[in-house]
Order: sequence, then structure tokens, then C-alpha cells
Amino acid sequence: ETGVTQSPTHLIKTRGQQVTLRCSSQSGHNTVSWYQQALGQGPQFIFQYYREEENGRGNFPPRFSGLQFPNYSSELNVNALELDDSALYLCASSFSSGDEQFFGPGTRLTVL
Amino acid sequence: GENVEQHPSTLSVQEGDSAVIKCTYSDSASNYFPWYKQELGKRPQLIIDIRSNVGEKKDQRIAVTLNKTAKHFSLHITETQPEDSAVYFCASREASGGSYIPTFGRGTSLIVHP
Repeated sequence: ETGVTQSPTHLIKTRGQQVTLRCSSQSGHNTVSWYQQALGQGPQFIFQYYREEENGRGNFPPRFSGLQFPNYSSELNVNALELDDSALYLCASSFSSGDEQFFGPGTRLTVL
Repeated sequence: GENVEQHPSTLSVQEGDSAVIKCTYSDSASNYFPWYKQELGKRPQLIIDIRSNVGEKKDQRIAVTLNKTAKHFSLHITETQPEDSAVYFCASREASGGSYIPTFGRGTSLIVHP
């Protein structure tokens, strides 16, 4: 059984660009949640995908979007990057929507 | 929406002492309260959780208490060790239309001095 993995580990972009982050869920998990963790802060919930459908969204603008694939891996897309988007992006998978979440190692995004 | 306040932001103790971290939440519909430990540069890891139908839960040196009436919950670590040094996050989770939306506190940096 493999854990949650994310790619890439680090990424540098400039303002206005677009970025795609990827997450592979733990074996047997059908739910993936994405979080943004700014330096010195707790993770903030972006959205959750359950069986390929968005299943809850936090207070993030529409330029944050996502996908979940039939194998339950997931992508987070951010358009029109802003400086404040610089953060650690974490994904977490769970067996189902209400179950314990297991976090990936995160992608560190820097927007210049 | 839910609001979670966590205190203190930094906690410094001597090895062997106890540490207590407190969180309050605002939404009475919240029913699940996990605690995560995040070491520097690593992913958050669940260390203990409690559901709203339970007042206390213990796992070796770690315990969590929940007061639903007052809407607060606390993490207690006894006999602290240097490897307990990390940032600890509380979270509260509410169910909304079939999805479970968690809100995290801002974290407590625990430093255990040998």
C-alpha cells in the first residue's frame, strides 16, 4: 500500500501564470481534499473531490479549480497567479468523505 | 462559517513537563475534532481525534478533551520529550450537504527543551 504522493515538490512561477499540481491518493481512497498552507498558518480548505465530483468548497475564488480522475488521483489548477498564492499546497486522501485524512508531502509554490 | 481559535501560538516546556493546547470553535454543528502534528518541512499527521459524542479520549501520553457546551477542546501531552517538538494544529469539521469541511486553527509551536 502506497501513501499519498504529490508532484512537483517545488515550483516557481510568475504573476499571471497558470499552474497545475498533482496528487495521487492512497490505495483504496476515493476522496481527495486540497489545502493551502501559508507560512506560519494552518491549512485552509480549498475543495474536496469524491468519486470525480466536487464535494465541498472553501472560500477560494473560481480561479482555483480541480479535477479528479477515475483512478481517484487529482489535480489542482490555479489561474492568473497572484503573489499571495505563494504557499504549501497539501492534498489529503481518505477512504470516504467523512473519514480520517492522510496528507501528502505538499508542493511548495512560489509566485514572483 | 466555522471559526477555530487556537492558543497559545508558542509553548515552551522542559522535558518531562506536561503541555496543554486549547482550541475553541464557533459552529455547534461541528462534530469531529482532529489534532495534527507537523514537524518542520513535513506533512501534517493525525495524532488523535475525538467525536462530539465523547468527552475525552486518551492514547498513551496524549489525551484530548471536548466540552461541547463551551465549544472548546484541548490537547494534553504528558511527560513531554524532545521529539514532541513540532507545530500542532487543531481542527473542527462540520458536515454540510454531504461533504465534510474542516477548519484548522493557526497552530501551536511546541518546543520541548532537554
